[in-house]
Amino acid sequence: DIQMTQSPSAMSASVGDRVTITCRASQGIRNDLGWYQQKPGKVPKRLIYAASSLQSGVPSRFSGSGSGTEFTLTISSLQPEDFATYYCLQHNSYPLTFGQGTKVEIK
Amino acid sequence: EVQLVESGGGLVQPGGSLRLSCAASGFTFSDHYMDWVRQAPGKGLEWVGRSRNKANSYTTEYTASVKGRFTVSRDDSKSSLYLQMNNLKTEDTAVYYCARVGSGWPYDYWGQGTLVTVSS
Repeated sequence: DIQMTQSPSAMSASVGDRVTITCRASQGIRNDLGWYQQKPGKVPKRLIYAASSLQSGVPSRFSGSGSGTEFTLTISSLQPEDFATYYCLQHNSYPLTFGQGTKVEIK
Repeated sequence: EVQLVESGGGLVQPGGSLRLSCAASGFTFSDHYMDWVRQAPGKGLEWVGRSRNKANSYTTEYTASVKGRFTVSRDDSKSSLYLQMNNLKTEDTAVYYCARVGSGWPYDYWGQGTLVTVSS
């Protein structure tokens, strides 16, 4: 199985901060990676697919990069509505695997 | 408008069975791979299994922990996805989501989830 290691597991940040979350795959997954945002009690929402393609309707302050084994989700200027838990997902091979999540909290 | 609506969750004893359903609307269901994803209380997301589309012979995939106990199936005539869960264990307690694989990329749409609680 491909292990997805997300870091950090939690972070505190302020409105306006630039936030970077990293996912490392235990083996190469090309660009078969997506990023999801989940708020408490809510359904996950896709932000990024194919490692760097912005989902329609998602604000442009979200961006993704990377290929192979290292991937990054960046929020260029954190907004109040961005406080949530973020997950990466690899779908290069079975079983599909999620990272353990990064909880972004208010500083 | 794409909608995915799960049903069938509830309380079941260890060793019991449950069948979840996911009713889809607003898109051509038969064109899409469909997955089940679960989330234990307070935990992260876990992929459970997949149903490929008709073009790929409706073949299925599972995570190891449910293989042999869970079965993913679909009825394209009803635009519905199913998850038959047998020999349930306490560690299967979770919210179960159905999710659409859109144009080869998971998951552009999710259902609202249905809670399965396995407890005596």
